[in-house]
Amino acid sequence: GAVVSQHPSWVICKSGTSVKIECRSLDFQATTMFWYRQFPKQSLMLMATSNEGSKATYEQGVEKDKFLINHASLTLSTLTVTSAHPEDSSFYICSARGSTGLLYEQYFGPGTRLTVT
Amino acid sequence: GENVEQHPSTLSVQEGDSAVIKCTYSDSASNYFPWYKQELGKRPQLIIDIRSNVGEKKDQRIAVTLNKTAKHFSLHITETQPEDSAVYFCAASKLTTSGTYKYIFGTGTRLKVLA
Repeated sequence: GAVVSQHPSWVICKSGTSVKIECRSLDFQATTMFWYRQFPKQSLMLMATSNEGSKATYEQGVEKDKFLINHASLTLSTLTVTSAHPEDSSFYICSARGSTGLLYEQYFGPGTRLTVT
Repeated sequence: GENVEQHPSTLSVQEGDSAVIKCTYSDSASNYFPWYKQELGKRPQLIIDIRSNVGEKKDQRIAVTLNKTAKHFSLHITETQPEDSAVYFCAASKLTTSGTYKYIFGTGTRLKVLA
């Protein structure tokens, strides 16, 4: 149980284009999803928290107009990197918290490696 | 702001020896502390966690200790094996006003177990 998937697992795009990453909870309803970014050999940095049906809460320093987050259903959240640039190249990981179970538990997706050329 | 320091950044041990990784957090309201193991290009995997009402927790070769007064918590791996080689992250979290637990991750420790 508590499986989270991400799609795509990797993507290469050209500078200036937009890329959408999907995060799905496969066997549970996720009331809250979290988006993290991880640069090579660095830690996971929380970008934003999204609750189903409401606007995402972004961490300080994260541009909400550049990283668009939509959490339209209890099983799907999307992160769109708009007008991507090479410095946006990173490993993007989502996690989800279920509507039941323990408040503090998060289940991580497998990550999406974005390379912007 | 909230901060979690983690040491050491790299750790090499001989197979069979013990490994200890230490974290210090800044927010005294933090009350949940998970540890994750991450292999290259993979998702973080929860290996053990501890809540603030407990001082120590053990699961086979892995244990975690928590000192709330000093705001320290540590991961202990005994009888290390080559497959323990990975990057380990600690995290500190607390319930936010929005009703969610926000994780603040440490900087990571790259553990190498030498055969």
